[in-house]
Amino acid sequence: DAGVIQSPRHEVTEMGQEVTLRCKPISGHDYLFWYRQTMMRGLELLIYFNNNVPIDDSGMPEDRFSAKMPNASFSTLKIQPSEPRDSAVYFCASSLGRRGLYNTEAFFGQGTRLTVV
Amino acid sequence: AQSVSQHNHHVILSEAASLELGCNYSYGGTVNLFWYVQYPGQHLQLLLKYFSGDPLVKGIKGFEAEFIKSKFSFNLRKPSVQWSDTAEYFCAVRPGNTGKLIFGQGTTLQVKP
Repeated sequence: DAGVIQSPRHEVTEMGQEVTLRCKPISGHDYLFWYRQTMMRGLELLIYFNNNVPIDDSGMPEDRFSAKMPNASFSTLKIQPSEPRDSAVYFCASSLGRRGLYNTEAFFGQGTRLTVV
Repeated sequence: AQSVSQHNHHVILSEAASLELGCNYSYGGTVNLFWYVQYPGQHLQLLLKYFSGDPLVKGIKGFEAEFIKSKFSFNLRKPSVQWSDTAEYFCAVRPGNTGKLIFGQGTTLQVKP
């Protein structure tokens, strides 16, 4: 398996533009996580899905952020409009999760480094 | 709310020194615990994990961690660090009743040759 695949690896955009980050989880994994990493705040959980359904989006900073998972092999994180403070590395991760156990680790993608100027 | 706390934000050691990184979590039920490592410019990789059984778990590259339930702690240790251990280390908790995976703030380890 190729692992979790994220695209693009780097994105530079101007303030106010829409940004879409993409993620392909490991085949067969039923959990998908989006994290944001910054020096100040560390690794923050933004949202996670189970079987394509958003379970907890309490970490999404504000309405400018939205995430979707239209099928088991694809997810997007969209920022509209983007602002300089959104500059960060965004990671996608996937895992298995048997109900009541959740004793499996998450596998991470390479991340997308977003710079908003 | 569930949270993970890593006590040390930045640690500097000389090669061959011993390492211990602290991790505490706030959740009263069954937990699954992880340590991940992130080498410069790379993604997170699993170092070790604890689900049940022996509270002392061994991972890759000579790392180990001890789960102390009464202290809600899962500290990472290595008897003798190498320059190549320079990286950021993250503790993570996955409560046993939810699929959520929560990370601590991370600890940057710098090993001087």
